[in-house]
This record gives sequence, structure tokens and C-alpha cells, in this order.
Amino acid sequence: GEDVEQSLFLSVREGDSSVINCTYTDSSSTYLYWYKQEPGAGLQLLTYIFSNMDMKQDQRLTVLLNKKDKHLSLRIADTQTGDSAIYFCAETPFSGGYNKLIFGAGTRLAVHP
Amino acid sequence: DVKVTQSSRYLVKRTGEKVFLECVQDMDHENMFWYRQDPGLGLRLIYFSYDVKMKEKGDIPEGYSVSREKKERFSLILESASTNQTSMYLCASSLPNGPEQYFGPGTRLTVT
Repeated sequence: GEDVEQSLFLSVREGDSSVINCTYTDSSSTYLYWYKQEPGAGLQLLTYIFSNMDMKQDQRLTVLLNKKDKHLSLRIADTQTGDSAIYFCAETPFSGGYNKLIFGAGTRLAVHP
Repeated sequence: DVKVTQSSRYLVKRTGEKVFLECVQDMDHENMFWYRQDPGLGLRLIYFSYDVKMKEKGDIPEGYSVSREKKERFSLILESASTNQTSMYLCASSLPNGPEQYFGPGTRLTVT
């Protein structure tokens, strides 16, 4: 079945780069997403990538997609304390229809001085 | 700016009570979704709706029902609340082919 996996925790120093990784099983995924959830808040869409792309860059965010390995990563350059949050990877499986999303468990990013 | 609002941020109910969670979106989106979020499990889809009065089961529909009488409003109903339904509930909406889903702030429900 469809599954999305990501590590649960990442700790980085302020100013360093953060890399959050995700693997998925559905090779027919059309879109892959990164959502951010700050404490006590809903989910905010950070960025998404269409499955025929390898990379997408948006200011401090870089998304890399390796379709062969079914691996998605989010790189945050110059990580700040405001980036501390839970980051969810998600995919839209082709079989889902109606843009149904399958989420990973979320990676909690802790940024320390 | 897309806005998705949920009727309560925090809710405490007793076992066996009937619970209504309301979600309203202001962007005329056809699709609306209800998820529950539990630590270590991410978000799991309960139900979704692609049009007024239309609904589809998600991955974990047991113990829940939904209602969509108007395009902008999607309600999640717990017919008889149980302690294992204590969770964070998130509503989302999107256009028919997405790709973006817009989320509300969530309702943290505690069933005692």
C-alpha cells in the first residue's frame, strides 16, 4: 500500500543547513509536498514539487526528488530559531483521486543557538 | 488569502456524547477534508467531500460521519465519543485538482 516515512527528530545549530528526508512507496505519485506545523497551529504548505521535476528552489528552501529511490528531501539554508517546527512530507498517490494526501509521521526540527 | 476556520480550538467531551466539529472555508473550494493527527502517526484521512452532499470514506472512517449541506461548510460528527477519539482534528479544503490543500488551525478534542 501507500506509505510515507520520515525520521522523527532533527536537531541543528542556528545558521547551519537542515536536511529533512522522506521516502515514499507509491511510484505513481503526482505531487510531493512539504508542510510545516508550528506549535498549536494548523499545517502551512511550504512547497511542493511535481513528480517530473528533480529540484525546486524557493528562497532558503530546496527540494530534491529522486524518483528512482523514491526519496524526497527538504533543505533549509541558514536555519533560524523560527524554523523550529514539525515538518510533514506528503504525497498525492495516483490512485487517490480528488488530490487525497498521504502524510508521513512528521519530523520535529529543533534549532539551538 | 484562503481562510479555513474551525469552530473550536479546544473541546472537552464525555464518553458517549455526540460531538460536532465544524469547518468553514471562504474560497469556494469544491474539496474538503477531515484528518486526525496523532503523535508519531502524522495525519490520517477520516472523510472527504468533493461536492455538496457528496462524501467519501478516508482511511479511518470508523466511529465518524460527516455532513456537507453547503459548499463552504463540512462537519465531522462523532456519534458516540470514545476515549480513543481524543486527538487533534484538522480540516482542509482545495480546488478539485488541487494540488494545494489549505488547513484550518485544528481542534484539540479530549474525550473523558
